[in-house]
Amino acid sequence: GAGVSQSPSNKVTEKGKDVELRCDPISGHTALYWYRQSLGQGLEFLIYFQGNSAPDKSGLPSDRFSAERTGGSVSTLTIQRTQQEDSAVYLCASSLGGRAGRNTIYFGEGSWLTVV
Amino acid sequence: SQQGEEDPQALSIQEGENATMNCSYKTSINNLQWYRQNSGRGLVHLILIRSNEREKHSGRLRVTLDTSKKSSSLLITASRAADTASYFCATALAGGTSYGKLTFGQGTILTVHP
Repeated sequence: GAGVSQSPSNKVTEKGKDVELRCDPISGHTALYWYRQSLGQGLEFLIYFQGNSAPDKSGLPSDRFSAERTGGSVSTLTIQRTQQEDSAVYLCASSLGGRAGRNTIYFGEGSWLTVV
Repeated sequence: SQQGEEDPQALSIQEGENATMNCSYKTSINNLQWYRQNSGRGLVHLILIRSNEREKHSGRLRVTLDTSKKSSSLLITASRAADTASYFCATALAGGTSYGKLTFGQGTILTVHP
């Protein structure tokens, strides 16, 4: 596609349920990022994939959060046993890779998660 | 504490005026970037300035970087109502441990009144 595609765009889930958020990066982009943004706040880094290297998971807030990237393309962010504090916009981004800033990072429109 | 902190948190101006937003950071950086976000959704990259640069221009945007003060500013000249958005600075840290990620500030909400 022309840009980074995320689905679903909006998700309402009950506390305790698991959710999966999907990101389809720009074709050919080797780097993929997940960020989280709570209402009125800045972006919080979650995880970064670069090619076949081990992902940088340093931003995942708890072991309820996990992400994978299959075939170096599509990525899925999974939140298990969701809590109300998980409510946020989850933003995916991709780039041609390399050090952050070497190549422009393109963001998707985000998946707005509401845990009730 | 945040690596990047913007001020002001909110800025309200009239169309045609200039808007200046500031960003401060704490640790050495490889580069600093400014992003724009409309309506709390996807971010759009505006401009990148490297640690060895002091000023960059792009259209009506001017970014400065002072590494001695660990600060950057974004100037939007001749603002338009369409410039209304949130603006974030993001830093790419120097060194190898944070090679891929950007660290974002809390953002400045800019409102330009017609």
